[in-house]
Amino acid sequence: AQSVTQPDIHITVSEGASLELRCNYSYGATPYLFWYVQSPGQGLQLLLKYFSGDTLVQGIKGFEAEFKRSQSSFNLRKPSVHWSDAAEYFCAVGPYNFNKFYFGSGTKLNVKP
Amino acid sequence: GAVVSQHPSWVICKSGTSVKIECRSLDFQATTMFWYRQFPKQSLMLMATSNEGSKATYEQGVEKDKFLINHASLTLSTLTVTSAHPEDSSFYICSARPLGPDKGSDTQYFGPGTRLTVL
Repeated sequence: AQSVTQPDIHITVSEGASLELRCNYSYGATPYLFWYVQSPGQGLQLLLKYFSGDTLVQGIKGFEAEFKRSQSSFNLRKPSVHWSDAAEYFCAVGPYNFNKFYFGSGTKLNVKP
Repeated sequence: GAVVSQHPSWVICKSGTSVKIECRSLDFQATTMFWYRQFPKQSLMLMATSNEGSKATYEQGVEKDKFLINHASLTLSTLTVTSAHPEDSSFYICSARPLGPDKGSDTQYFGPGTRLTVL
């Protein structure tokens, strides 16, 4: 069965600290992986995506993610968090035609001053 | 960037009435639009996929007659919740996949969502 698991519902980090958000997936075919961020009143914004090639992908706003096939993981990282990063983050997996995406349940990030 | 709008952003209606939600791609044409439903503290669940000019494809468990989807043009899709009941209260999000490569046909761009409350 296809699924995405984000084990952390809430995470709080101090501003300037590093961040890692976990994502594990189960997918029967070659996975195309995405991270989206959702701020209140805003649509989901694409942070980065992985299709193939280099397993470390760079995204917008200083985010990066690493694909580890052996662990079925696609964790999102940022070396230094800013207060404006406070939002909800969703990991998603989809097929080659980018149609049916499966989303994780999201991780809400709080940033302490 | 690629912008998707939804209207209204929130709506309150009485039980038994119908509500229409619009999803528009503002600066690109979309071959395919998607409708999701998001419950509090839960993931987005795909309800249906619509292609311009053809019938929508509904996910298992989604009532076609309750959630009517029309994709009349390459920039507009509508979701009508018919005979709404309190259990239909939710956050509805649409997304669109661009037609051409310039906006990135390899991803989906999401609208801000519509909060539906049925009394």
